[in-house]
Amino acid sequence: QLQLQESGPGLVKPSETLSLTCTVSGGSISSSTHYWAWIRQSPGKGLEWIGSIHYSGTTHYNPSLKSRVTTSVDTSKNHFSLKLSSVTAADTSVFYCARHHRQQLGDFFDYWGQGILVTVSS
Amino acid sequence: DIQMTQSPSSLSASVGDRVTITCRASQSMSSYLNWYQQKPGKAPKLLIYAASSLQSGVPSRFSGSESGTDFTLTINSLQPEDFASYYCQQSYIPPYTFGQGTKLEI
Repeated sequence: QLQLQESGPGLVKPSETLSLTCTVSGGSISSSTHYWAWIRQSPGKGLEWIGSIHYSGTTHYNPSLKSRVTTSVDTSKNHFSLKLSSVTAADTSVFYCARHHRQQLGDFFDYWGQGILVTVSS
Repeated sequence: DIQMTQSPSSLSASVGDRVTITCRASQSMSSYLNWYQQKPGKAPKLLIYAASSLQSGVPSRFSGSESGTDFTLTINSLQPEDFASYYCQQSYIPPYTFGQGTKLEI
């Protein structure tokens, strides 16, 4: 059974960079048919797709966050990472990593991590 | 971006009831619509993809349909474990966007 687990600091200071890692177990991140996604959820903005990355390095980002987002994949560790720069209190959210399944009938997110709360505060 | 508008935002029902939740897209998007269930403190769980395809392991009392830009999630014979929040999500055009959610309460 595929499992994903987010890790990283739960508290980040304003203007700093938020860094999270998602470790995948029970399957390989080097799948040609899957991307790996970051999604966040806040009371104010609901669920928001941040971006997705393929093990080859191909990325797709939400234009609203693109200027501040960087994602990467480490196939040797079977994990992928998110960096969100210049954070503000508005970035306080629960961050989820998820498997992004791509198919002709449309993409979906079929496996999710448990989520990690990241608070932006001084 | 494609805007997804869910209704109602909350819904009260009882065990054994049949309920429907609607999601309206701001533009035509074929069947590129997914439904998720989320319980408090948990990650969303995929229920339906491509508007009407049931994800493996999801009970058959869940079903999805579409009519133009309107998509419907139907839950037949509500069970106690179905009381949760439900979200639609479009996968027609990035950025992938979600509805604001429907909270299903007893």
